[in-house]
Amino acid sequence: NAGVTQTPKFQVLKTGQSMTLQCAQDMNHNSMYWYRQDPGMGLRLIYYSASEGTTDKGEVPNGYNVSRLNKREFSLRLESAAPSQTSVYFCASSDGLEQFFGPGTRLTVL
Amino acid sequence: DQQVKQNSPSLSVQEGRISILNCDYTNSMFDYFLWYKKYPAEGPTFLISISSIKDKNEDGRFTVFLNKSAKHLSLHIVPSQPGDSAVYFCAALLNDYKLSFGAGTTVTVRA
Repeated sequence: NAGVTQTPKFQVLKTGQSMTLQCAQDMNHNSMYWYRQDPGMGLRLIYYSASEGTTDKGEVPNGYNVSRLNKREFSLRLESAAPSQTSVYFCASSDGLEQFFGPGTRLTVL
Repeated sequence: DQQVKQNSPSLSVQEGRISILNCDYTNSMFDYFLWYKKYPAEGPTFLISISSIKDKNEDGRFTVFLNKSAKHLSLHIVPSQPGDSAVYFCAALLNDYKLSFGAGTTVTVRA
């Protein structure tokens, strides 16, 4: 099993560009999450999906949109990237207490 | 407003000695507390958890202690090994499975 996979691993954008971060899990989990990690801030929840067909805002949702495409896939979209969105983005999935994380996407917005 | 705080950004310990990582929280409604370990360029991985109704949970070299009256928990690693060098995140869970993370403590185990 691959667990949680994320693409791309690295991305550089210019201010105002858009992009979609992809996430897929093969553990048949119901819940999926998107976090961002910034220095000195830990991980902060952007959006989550408790089950297929549902999405909810987390702590820092502004500037992002999500799509739960099916049970396996949960994508995060930046419609108009800003330098403040420079961060490392982690996707996670769970079916209980423990969340399983992907390897992360390092995004730089110039 | 951060509900989970790790006030020590770093910790250096000699191999074989005990590592003690601390975490404070403000929300008394948290159901579970978890510790995650993170290596560079990897995602966090689950290490150990404790229910809010317990005061201790042990798993091999790792023990987590919870003091609810002080809203404080700690992770003890005994003995510390070089492979334990990583960033450790304390996290707290409410009943809707949303995790609140602390800022992390970087542990360096010296040979």
